[in-house]
Amino acid sequence: GAVVSQHPSWVICKSGTSVKIECRSLDFQATTMFWYRQFPKQSLMLMATSNEGSKATYEQGVEKDKFLINHASLTLSTLTVTSAHPEDSSFYICSAPPGLVIETQYFGPGTRLLVL
Amino acid sequence: AQKVTQAQTEISVVEKEDVTLDCVYETRDTTYYLFWYKQPPSGELVFLIRRNSFDEQNEISGRYSWNFQKSTSSFNFTITASQVVDSAVYFCALSEGPYNQGGKLIFGQGTELSVKP
Repeated sequence: GAVVSQHPSWVICKSGTSVKIECRSLDFQATTMFWYRQFPKQSLMLMATSNEGSKATYEQGVEKDKFLINHASLTLSTLTVTSAHPEDSSFYICSAPPGLVIETQYFGPGTRLLVL
Repeated sequence: AQKVTQAQTEISVVEKEDVTLDCVYETRDTTYYLFWYKQPPSGELVFLIRRNSFDEQNEISGRYSWNFQKSTSSFNFTITASQVVDSAVYFCALSEGPYNQGGKLIFGQGTELSVKP
């Protein structure tokens, strides 16, 4: 079946640094990818919709200047957490639906970010 | 506005018991998809089922079964003869519209299921 990968799987960084997370669709092309954030013991919340060749669409309350999204190709979207702070520590998950018609969402394995 | 409610935050059962996880959704769309995902401690989401709004037929897959009722806006999930390996957080999710533009998922709060031996 379709596979979505994320890199890195976990990252620890110092406060103030920037962290880049990659989301790749391995065997299909994805014009759209979604980025979710999950705090401990909480649900997944959509942060933004990444669109290949155009700007990302951010959900209300998500700072677009802090969470930079670049959909560089049909198989790669990156999320950069700029000037990360401890409150940004979370589990970040991407997903990609293959094709135009929703059949299912393929989720990446997630990236655990810990900001010290 | 669209919303998914999983009223049960935590459920604890003993192995071999049956357990039902409730999911109630709200949407104004006539076309939508409902999903169930399992999230083990590793964090990776495991897809369990997708159901579109035009298909109310209940589904059974091994020990898992789903009851979709549009009249009550519910999409409940039952595990029969639960096993320790079923212990995880289960999420119900809603996606509006048939196309990618509406394909983002709204998740419920999740139900943490603990199956004790």
